[in-house]
Amino acid sequence: KNQVEQSPQSLIILEGKNCTLQCNYTVSPFSNLRWYKQDTGRGPVSLTIMTFSENTKSNGRYTATLDADTKQSSLHITASQLSDSASYICVVSANRDDKIIFGKGTRLHILP
Amino acid sequence: GAVVSQHPSWVICKSGTSVKIECRSLDFQATTMFWYRQFPKQSLMLMATSNEGSKATYEQGVEKDKFLINHASLTLSTLTVTSAHPEDSSFYICSAGPLRISYEQYFGPGTRLTVT
Repeated sequence: KNQVEQSPQSLIILEGKNCTLQCNYTVSPFSNLRWYKQDTGRGPVSLTIMTFSENTKSNGRYTATLDADTKQSSLHITASQLSDSASYICVVSANRDDKIIFGKGTRLHILP
Repeated sequence: GAVVSQHPSWVICKSGTSVKIECRSLDFQATTMFWYRQFPKQSLMLMATSNEGSKATYEQGVEKDKFLINHASLTLSTLTVTSAHPEDSSFYICSAGPLRISYEQYFGPGTRLTVT
């Protein structure tokens, strides 16, 4: 069964600190993995997209990694800012039938 | 980057009425659009896949007669919630893909529906 599991469910850190969010998946055949940021009451905004051959991709203070062998991805946020408070969603696409599987997201709270 | 808009951004309606939500791709043609529903503090749930010029494909458990989807052009898809009830109150989000392959997706800003 195609699944995407994210951890932790929620996370609270102080402004300026770093954090890492995890995403494990069992989607097969794997096509690509995306990380989205969703502010409350807004649509998701793409942060990174990685295909099978990519191990890491950065977007400013966001760095995503992908281990296709262990089917794990992480999103690392450096020097967190108050505006980073949001839900971060891991989305994995399967080649067959173009299925898209969403993780439940990690709610990140940055405290001043 | 590609822009997807939704209208309205929020709507309040009375129980039993119908509400239409529009999803537009502003700077690209979208052969495929997706409609999602999101309840508070939960992840997005795919409701249906809308293909231009053909019938929408609904996910299991989604009533196609209640959630009418029309994708009449390459830049517009509409979702109509018919005979809305309070339990239909939710955040509805669309996404559009410029290709028939789903991984190129751009999300709209969402529509907050409240049924009283």
